[in-house]
Amino acid sequence: GQSLEQPSEVTAVEGAIVQINCTYQTSGFYGLSWYQQHDGGAPTFLSYNALDGLEETGRFSSFLSRSDSYGYLLLQELQMKDSASYFCAVLNTGGFKTIFGAGTRLFVKA
Amino acid sequence: NAGVTQTPKFRVLKTGQSMTLLCAQDMNHEYMYWYRQDPGMGLRLIHYSVGEGTTAKGEVPDGYNVSRLKKQNFLLGLESAAPSQTSVYFCASSYRDTGGPGELFFGEGSRLTVL
Repeated sequence: GQSLEQPSEVTAVEGAIVQINCTYQTSGFYGLSWYQQHDGGAPTFLSYNALDGLEETGRFSSFLSRSDSYGYLLLQELQMKDSASYFCAVLNTGGFKTIFGAGTRLFVKA
Repeated sequence: NAGVTQTPKFRVLKTGQSMTLLCAQDMNHEYMYWYRQDPGMGLRLIHYSVGEGTTAKGEVPDGYNVSRLKKQNFLLGLESAAPSQTSVYFCASSYRDTGGPGELFFGEGSRLTVL
């Protein structure tokens, strides 16, 4: 089977840096993705890691360690509009399914 | 270029009724997915398709059927709706990226209530 664990909630202050962790268990691991979802909206893609290391996209960075089955999403210079839910998702090679974690609700305070 | 379009966006059903959700994408994507989202449970994969004429079960397939007769369309059917199927349903599609699925593009969601 597959499982992903991420914190249910994180609170941070505007302008700060926050890290959202994700650990996973899966067979045939292919890569780890991150998605953002605002209330009432659809998930939107943020980043994807297939290899170990850090991927940077503007204020957002994502890290993967395949040996530790662990990844994180790093959000810098937090803005109020970053208040949303963030999902990690595992892509596996057995059928090309994308399985999501339960999501982390990020609250950004002024 | 509309992306991924879901219809209907809202629907109320009575227990035992049937209905079909339609997902259409205009990006020529190979992969298509149906997810359901319930509070506190993230997105759970119902069924998916890796190409026209193919379908496969996801994490929570019971009570649902799907068809992918045309590459651009992926239909999700509920034969006999139950209150437990009250949820927000998201369709997604993706291209083939170095052998596997790439970024998922989501529709706006379909909110289904079963009374």
